[in-house]
Amino acid sequence: QKEVEQDPGPLSVPEGAIVSLNCTYSNSAFQYFMWYRQYSRKGPELLMYTYSSGNKEDGRFTAQVDKSSKYISLFIRDSQPSDSATYLCAKDGGGAQKLVFGQGTRLTINP
Amino acid sequence: NAGVMQNPRHLVRRRGQEARLRCSPMKGHSHVYWYRQLPEEGLKFMVYLQKENIIDESGMPKERFSAEFPKEGPSILRIQQVVRGDSAAYFCASSPTEAGELFFGEGSRLTVL
Repeated sequence: QKEVEQDPGPLSVPEGAIVSLNCTYSNSAFQYFMWYRQYSRKGPELLMYTYSSGNKEDGRFTAQVDKSSKYISLFIRDSQPSDSATYLCAKDGGGAQKLVFGQGTRLTINP
Repeated sequence: NAGVMQNPRHLVRRRGQEARLRCSPMKGHSHVYWYRQLPEEGLKFMVYLQKENIIDESGMPKERFSAEFPKEGPSILRIQQVVRGDSAAYFCASSPTEAGELFFGEGSRLTVL
């Protein structure tokens, strides 16, 4: 079993829709969670991070962590075509920035 | 302030040749990380370096792979005697501190024929 599991998609939704991206994890140690966005042929860029359970909001993006079920989610409100990218969830792997990534979900927002 | 610079962006090698990938961290960043992204897979940690020191190489294959971050110049990821399974995108990231945000480069895409 992979330490971080993520549905690879692809996921295609119309512009303006609410998008829900999800990951599960198996190792409860080192609970620092992140979401990265990766455009095609580019490097990942950090979108959001959180240490705790509950919700964290930043503009149209909300990160949610449920430690009891080992589930992490990213919600995108009012999705835009510019949000089309691969979204990677990650958690720390027990060392300085030794991150463990899910395989990424490819998202397309259709105008 | 330029971002993390990686070169070459694309590299083609035949089996048995050597590949050298270079990474210049962001200005002021002394922590460098290398990750590998295989097709249809997420990024996998390879190695963490500070200037002149390898801090954690637990994700690095035991053979053929090595990394360095000299006092002067870029960090180098070296792959000797490449095989087709080494074909992947190799990403370098840097951070200003041990616990700081990672800033990724655009990656070096290695193709082994």
